[in-house]
Amino acid sequence: SQQGEEDPQALSIQEGENATMNCSYKTSINNLQWYRQNSGRGLVHLILIRSNEREKHSGRLRVTLDTSKKSSSLLITASRAADTASYFCATDPGSGYSTLTFGKGTMLLVSP
Amino acid sequence: NAGVTQTPKFQVLKTGQSMTLQCAQDMNHEYMSWYRQDPGMGLRLIHYSVGAGITDQGEVPNGYNVSRSTTEDFPLRLLSAAPSQTSVYFCASSYSNDGTWATYEQYFGPGTRLTVT
Repeated sequence: SQQGEEDPQALSIQEGENATMNCSYKTSINNLQWYRQNSGRGLVHLILIRSNEREKHSGRLRVTLDTSKKSSSLLITASRAADTASYFCATDPGSGYSTLTFGKGTMLLVSP
Repeated sequence: NAGVTQTPKFQVLKTGQSMTLQCAQDMNHEYMSWYRQDPGMGLRLIHYSVGAGITDQGEVPNGYNVSRSTTEDFPLRLLSAAPSQTSVYFCASSYSNDGTWATYEQYFGPGTRLTVT
């Protein structure tokens, strides 16, 4: 069953703009992860935020986590055409390995 | 390092045929998993392994078998292919660096696109 749900399902922006994607989940978590998938490729890990963290940065990425609302957001600043991809959140409920569950993803299109 | 490799990249099967999807990793990761990705469904876990000789079922295990005889390899067997198994299959490996069972970042292979007619 899907634990995470991304919102929006699709997002279209211009280069240079910021892109924000949201993820909501249902049960308590040990950590939450964001992945990127370029068309026809495997997923690539972007960032992991633990349940006791509220915000994390990595380059142009900023992730926030609100465990009281069971939600997370991924912000990509100054988007580039190369950021065009699908973005997935994945949650680890902490009840044993490989209970990592993925949402359905947000498709991001960045136009030059 | 090659990371996680998968073969074949593409495969077409007829209903009832069997085949094995290969997965190998050279990062000495203990943990390995198989997912399937269907349009609009995200990734769903099929089977996973926490070490050589240890496997367990995920969310959608029916119709698939796995074994883990070495740390490096984790093949996925389709016993009798059905059209419902048409999907893209991803293998992933992972590690735990703090001795807990927490699931950390997963390294994915490039995928196998399987069509069952």
